Amino acid sequence: KQEVTQIPAALSVPEGENLVLNCSFTDSAIYNLQWFRQDPGKGLTSLLLIQSSQREQTSGRLNASLDKSSGRSTLYIAASQPGDSATYLCQMIYNQGGKLIFGQGTELSVKP
Amino acid sequence: GAGVSQTPSNKVTEKGKYVELRCDPISGHTALYWYRQSLGQGPEFLIYFQGTGAADDSGLPNDRFFAVRPEGSVSTLKIQRTERGDSAVYLCASSFGPNNEQFFGPGTRLTVL
Repeated sequence: KQEVTQIPAALSVPEGENLVLNCSFTDSAIYNLQWFRQDPGKGLTSLLLIQSSQREQTSGRLNASLDKSSGRSTLYIAASQPGDSATYLCQMIYNQGGKLIFGQGTELSVKP
Repeated sequence: GAGVSQTPSNKVTEKGKYVELRCDPISGHTALYWYRQSLGQGPEFLIYFQGTGAADDSGLPNDRFFAVRPEGSVSTLKIQRTERGDSAVYLCASSFGPNNEQFFGPGTRLTVL
């Protein structure tokens, strides 16, 4: 069964701290992986997309990595800011029928 | 340019009623996705269109749920005989093609009383 897990469910850090959000998956035959943020009551905003042949993608203070052999992806946020407070979701897209599976998200709170 | 839009933003209905939720994708995006999100959970895949056809409807929970995209642009998610368990936020996303970066709409919050 294809499962996607994000741990922890919630995380609180002081402003300025570097942090890592984790996403693990049971089936490594992914086509690509996408990280999103979701603000309360809003839709999802795409942050980074990693193709299965890639190992990482960077955008500003964000860096996402992919290790298919260990079934893990991480989202690294440098120098966190209160505006980074949101729920972060990872999504797997699989080769077989293009199946799309989200993790349950990590709720991040960055305290000023 | 305009992003993905969804209407209505909120819908309150009574158990047993029929509802339609609309999604306007980004112009030129051939792929369109519907998801359902319950509080504290990640979005749950419902159905995916490539053009006018449903390429994968394996996520639809039962035959009360149906979606169409007759002209390959706007899509409507239809729910018959609504139940309280259908209450959730229904999200729509679109992309240039299958498995490419998805762009999400703000969602429709459905409440079944």
